[in-house]
Amino acid sequence: EVQLVESGGALIQPGGSLRLSCAASGFTVSSNYMSWVRQAPGKGLEWVSIIHGSGSTNCADSVRGRFIISRDVSKNTVFLQMNSLRAEDTAMYYCASGYDHYDTGGYYPGLDYWGLGTLVTVSS
Amino acid sequence: DIQMTQSPSSLSASVGDKVTITCRASQSISRYLNWYQQKPGKAPKFLIYAASNLQSGVPSRFSGRGSGTEFTLTISSLQPEDFATYYCQQSYTISWTFGQGTKVEIK
Repeated sequence: EVQLVESGGALIQPGGSLRLSCAASGFTVSSNYMSWVRQAPGKGLEWVSIIHGSGSTNCADSVRGRFIISRDVSKNTVFLQMNSLRAEDTAMYYCASGYDHYDTGGYYPGLDYWGLGTLVTVSS
Repeated sequence: DIQMTQSPSSLSASVGDKVTITCRASQSISRYLNWYQQKPGKAPKFLIYAASNLQSGVPSRFSGRGSGTEFTLTISSLQPEDFATYYCQQSYTISWTFGQGTKVEIK
């Protein structure tokens, strides 16, 4: 059974740093897409960052230069290092995993599995 | 980045109603379009990939259509457990984006 468990959320002051963890079970993090998606209180979903099975990474413009996604395959865990935190980074952070789904014409990625989330609050 | 715009932002409907949600992309995304359902206090659930393919276990009353820039999610006969917020998401570019969501409420 696939399971994703996030941890590391906390109340942190503006300008501070935090590292979120996502422990995966039931699959290997190097075989799937691993992504972070956040949701500010009362708002919609915002895609944050992704690490592909190949190890390549990408992130949203809103966090580029401040957030870094990485993984430790030996621990089957993905991380989100968040620096220079701002009030607008306050959100529930979800870890999600997925893979390419085949359909006529190609392979289509999606986020099949989600954790329960970890709450990050940036406030003085 | 590709912008995803959903309409309406919210709707009220009754059990048994047919409901359609539209998602428009700011540029063509072929069929790289996914749909998710989220209930209050819960993580999103993956419903549809490649615009029209139901994930395993998703009821057949859900259907998706479209390609290019315009997509729809239809619930043919709304059930009590379908009251939730629905999000589209594009995976065409290396930076993924979600629509702002459509909240389906009970009339």
